[in-house]
Amino acid sequence: GAGVSQSPSNKVTEKGKDVELRCDPISGHTALYWYRQSLGQGLEFLIYFQGNSAPDKSGLPSDRFSAERTGGSVSTLTIQRTQQEDSAVYLCASSLAETGAYTFGSGTRLTVV
Amino acid sequence: LAKTTQPISMDSYEGQEVNITCSHNNIATNDYITWYQQFPSQGPRFIIQGYKTKVTNEVASLFIPADRKSSTLSLPRVSLSDTAVYYCLVPSTGGFKTIFGAGTRLFVKA
Repeated sequence: GAGVSQSPSNKVTEKGKDVELRCDPISGHTALYWYRQSLGQGLEFLIYFQGNSAPDKSGLPSDRFSAERTGGSVSTLTIQRTQQEDSAVYLCASSLAETGAYTFGSGTRLTVV
Repeated sequence: LAKTTQPISMDSYEGQEVNITCSHNNIATNDYITWYQQFPSQGPRFIIQGYKTKVTNEVASLFIPADRKSSTLSLPRVSLSDTAVYYCLVPSTGGFKTIFGAGTRLFVKA
């Protein structure tokens, strides 16, 4: 597609529920990143996919967080047993390899009540 | 890992040139320097990327001295719509693995 697409744009969930966030990167971009951003804060790295290599999961804050990327394209970030501190904007970005020139999606605003 | 360091905030007036400097003392030989702009409720947007000397595009210029330990993003004749947070990113200082940092909040006044 023309840009990075994320869905849903907003998600309100009850504490303890599982949520899935979707990212559709730019076609042909081999690198895909997930970040999260709390209100007024900078971006926090979560996970990185590059081609068929094993993902770099070093930024995932707990084992409740997981992500997969199917067929080198669409990625899903799953948060199990959501907690209030998970409330944030989750941003996905893609790029051609590790150029540093990322294209970000508009994010998913997650609110855990 | 050393962080990139930027001013927390800057104020300017419409029509002025704004220069935001980022220090990145531990930049590696192969690293590019990338700047992003973020408006509220949006993801960051790529502005410009450079390796050395000067790069210019339709939005901004990027000045990088010979030692590459810093870089300056220059926004010519800013307008109210340039009010945003600006981040500089250098892979060897953690790059995509680190918190981007708070960036520089630029506020343009009429």
